Amino acid sequence: KQEVTQIPAALSVPEGENLVLNCSFTDSAIYNLQWFRQDPGKGLTSLLLIQSSQREQTSGRLNASLDKSSGRSTLYIAASQPGDSATYLCAVRGRGSTLGRLYFGRGTQLTVWP
Amino acid sequence: NAGVTQTPKFRILKIGQSMTLQCTQDMNHNYMYWYRQDPGMGLKLIYYSVGAGITDKGEVPNGYNVSRSTTEDFPLRLELAAPSQTSVYFCASGEGGEQYFGPGTRLTVT
Repeated sequence: KQEVTQIPAALSVPEGENLVLNCSFTDSAIYNLQWFRQDPGKGLTSLLLIQSSQREQTSGRLNASLDKSSGRSTLYIAASQPGDSATYLCAVRGRGSTLGRLYFGRGTQLTVWP
Repeated sequence: NAGVTQTPKFRILKIGQSMTLQCTQDMNHNYMYWYRQDPGMGLKLIYYSVGAGITDKGEVPNGYNVSRSTTEDFPLRLELAAPSQTSVYFCASGEGGEQYFGPGTRLTVT
């Protein structure tokens, strides 16, 4: 069974810092990996989707990398802002498994203070 | 284009009551999913559907039922609500890649 772990569970940084969120998964046979943002009491917003054949994806100040062989992904946030404060979830989609279901980590709760 | 919509946003149930959580998507996706999220935990799959008339169990299906009579709608039924079903419920849809999530339903069973 696929297990997804996110480290750290919580992170508090001053505005302007560059930071890295980590995600690891136990089964490297994945179809893709998706990073989500979740604001308190809200739904999930997709940030980046990396296909298994890709090494990284970028969107604005966000960069996500994927090392499938070692079962790891990182989300890099450049020049963090208070508006980045949220919980960040990593999810993997298994290849050939339950028809597209996602396996989620518990998330990293990020606080960026001014 | 509303994406994935869920109703209600909040609900309080008494133990033993039943209710249906509604989910509708307007992206013509064949794949739809129900997840639950407990505090401090990742999302866990309850049920999924790969098209109208086809549903199957996920990781935590006990106490729930689903149906899929149309491509757009995927309601989740709770029978005999229990305190362990207190959670936030998310519906999602997708087609071959990214999944799109609804805003969630926060359910409390007391």
